[in-house]
Amino acid sequence: QVHLVESGGGVVQPGRSLRLSCATSGFTFNNFGMHWVRQVPGKGPEWLAVIWYNGRNQQYADSVASRFTISRDNSKNTLYLEMASLRAEDTAVYFCVRDARPEVYAANFDYWGQGTLVTVSS
Amino acid sequence: DVVLTQSPLSLPVTLGQPASISCRSSQNLVYSDGNTYLNWFQQRPGQSPRRLIYKVSDRDSGVPDRFSGSGSGTYFTLRISRVEAEDVGIYYCMQGTHWPLTFGGGTKVEIK
Repeated sequence: QVHLVESGGGVVQPGRSLRLSCATSGFTFNNFGMHWVRQVPGKGPEWLAVIWYNGRNQQYADSVASRFTISRDNSKNTLYLEMASLRAEDTAVYFCVRDARPEVYAANFDYWGQGTLVTVSS
Repeated sequence: DVVLTQSPLSLPVTLGQPASISCRSSQNLVYSDGNTYLNWFQQRPGQSPRRLIYKVSDRDSGVPDRFSGSGSGTYFTLRISRVEAEDVGIYYCMQGTHWPLTFGGGTKVEIK
């Protein structure tokens, strides 16, 4: 059974950094591309970033491209999102999402984690 | 960016009656491999989204057969043949053909 468990969320001041993790189990992690998606409570989801199975290709939404970095450690079956220069508008629930394929030329989400809440506030 | 426009925003339905949600794309969603990467997700209150339908009309394992997807190009539909109480939630379409990936604004299904 596929499990994706995000952690690392919390309250952070504007301008500070935070790293989210997504621990995975129940599947062969290095065979799948992975995404980060966020959702402001009461709003629709927003895709943020994707990383291919081997970590060699990443792509970002314009809204976070210069501030967020997606990475993965296949030896630990874990996905990361490094977030810098955080702003109030980054407040949201952050989800890691598995793609159905290793190389994500076109995206096909399948499994979502339960999410971790990030609140950017002074 | 591809804009996905869902309608209606809110859908009150009587138990046992059908429901239909539309998703219109600002661009054609057929990818160069011939597939159309249009998914439908259900988000129940307090839960993360769950995929119901992928590539327009393929139903995920464990999804009741009362859910079906159809469409092509720029116009897509999710149908629920007979709404049950557990179907309450917000439904989102999402396209995976063009970058950045985008979601529709959501349709809230509730019981009358």
